[in-house]
Amino acid sequence: DTAVSQTPKYLVTQMGNDKSIKCEQNLGHDTMYWYKQDSKKFLKIMFSYNNKELIINETVPNRFSPKSPDKAHLNLHINSLELGDSAVYFCASSQEAYGTGEGGNQPQHFGDGTRLSIL
Amino acid sequence: GENVEQHPSTLSVQEGDSAVIKCTYSDSASNYFPWYKQELGKGPQLIIDIRSNVGEKKDQRIAVTLNKTAKHFSLHITETQPEDSAVYFCAVHWAGTALIFGKGTTLSVSS
Repeated sequence: DTAVSQTPKYLVTQMGNDKSIKCEQNLGHDTMYWYKQDSKKFLKIMFSYNNKELIINETVPNRFSPKSPDKAHLNLHINSLELGDSAVYFCASSQEAYGTGEGGNQPQHFGDGTRLSIL
Repeated sequence: GENVEQHPSTLSVQEGDSAVIKCTYSDSASNYFPWYKQELGKGPQLIIDIRSNVGEKKDQRIAVTLNKTAKHFSLHITETQPEDSAVYFCAVHWAGTALIFGKGTTLSVSS
């Protein structure tokens, strides 16, 4: 069983379109994340949700909107796609416990990514 | 914010040799340091991690050392094998929430 699964694996679309990427984790984790990996392989946090609540929003354009219907799912919707959005997007999850004082130092488990190509 | 530097960006070794990748970080409050391996077409996979109350951790051929005073940590792979070829990322858990990644090291192990 795949622990963190993303769909689709590949997404090719035209500039200006709206698209969504779905993510599901079956690890029972409290926290989910979206990362962007650019063409130089640099990985950068975009969003973090803990128990369906937004925790981190790292200077990401408003065109990107995460949605967490429950703690096992974190979807990413992107409006008005631009050429610069071409990248690999990774979903991840971890067992975090905000407010416990632990600082959330738990391993993050990644999906296999969605390669988004804008034509 | 936190800044993570990783070196080298590429590393080529012969099978059986050791490989060392080094990372430095800037925020002394950071206290969790994982290493990830990314194979082609796959997501990053955690291979080892270390917390700030430990100086060294080993798991078979992989070890990580941490020097909190100097704010650097290193990944050591001994007896490298062709299947160790991948991109390796260090990361620092910053402000209790986000992972800040280094820029990655492409390791090539030739037989």
